[in-house]
Amino acid sequence: ETGVTQTPRHLVMGMTNKKSLKCEQHLGHNAMYWYKQSAKKPLELMFVYNFKEQTENNSVPSRFSPECPNSSHLFLHLHTLQPEDSALYLCASSPERGNNEQFFGPGTRLTVL
Amino acid sequence: QKEVEQDPGPLSVPEGAIVSLNCTYSNSAFQYFMWYRQYSRKGPELLMYTYSSGNKEDGRFTAQVDKSSKYISLFIRDSQPSDSATYLCAMRTNAGGTSYGKLTFGQGTILTVHP
Repeated sequence: ETGVTQTPRHLVMGMTNKKSLKCEQHLGHNAMYWYKQSAKKPLELMFVYNFKEQTENNSVPSRFSPECPNSSHLFLHLHTLQPEDSALYLCASSPERGNNEQFFGPGTRLTVL
Repeated sequence: QKEVEQDPGPLSVPEGAIVSLNCTYSNSAFQYFMWYRQYSRKGPELLMYTYSSGNKEDGRFTAQVDKSSKYISLFIRDSQPSDSATYLCAMRTNAGGTSYGKLTFGQGTILTVHP
């Protein structure tokens, strides 16, 4: 295991639902990331937090709302999603922003009906 | 044009074969080049990284970077069924500001090594 856990592993939601994805890292890292992985597309960086401060929002629609209450936990709040938002959502962490090695969790497989 | 191009495959080889995985890129500012491996139902994990041009070897794996051609490769010698995974190239610049540390990934190549 990489030391990064994500829950739930699978999520099915309707377009009007509100749900949250959770990520926790046990590595003492200070940077945390959310990525979206869709079939036949590169990993897309969504958000970056460094020392609990959001340092990047990669033009992500407002229906995705991140929260980083401390350096070990990261949430992605979801509301009024679209079917095209169905994807694997990966959380990652690194000692600091800028490290080449990011440690990824197993991801949450999200299906929006 | 995508910043990083990677042939998605799938690539299927017999056990023991030499595997060559490649990426091309367009941004000449990329300085750090990485290969991540992603097994099914897992997140990516860093396999190797190289700074600037040159070769780096780690066991059965060799990473090569040719900055003049904007081309990177990962070679796997004596491939094993346990090497079956998706291989993602990634790269980043030395730039500061909001892009600092941002990794740009290829779409990944699916590799299957059959016994």
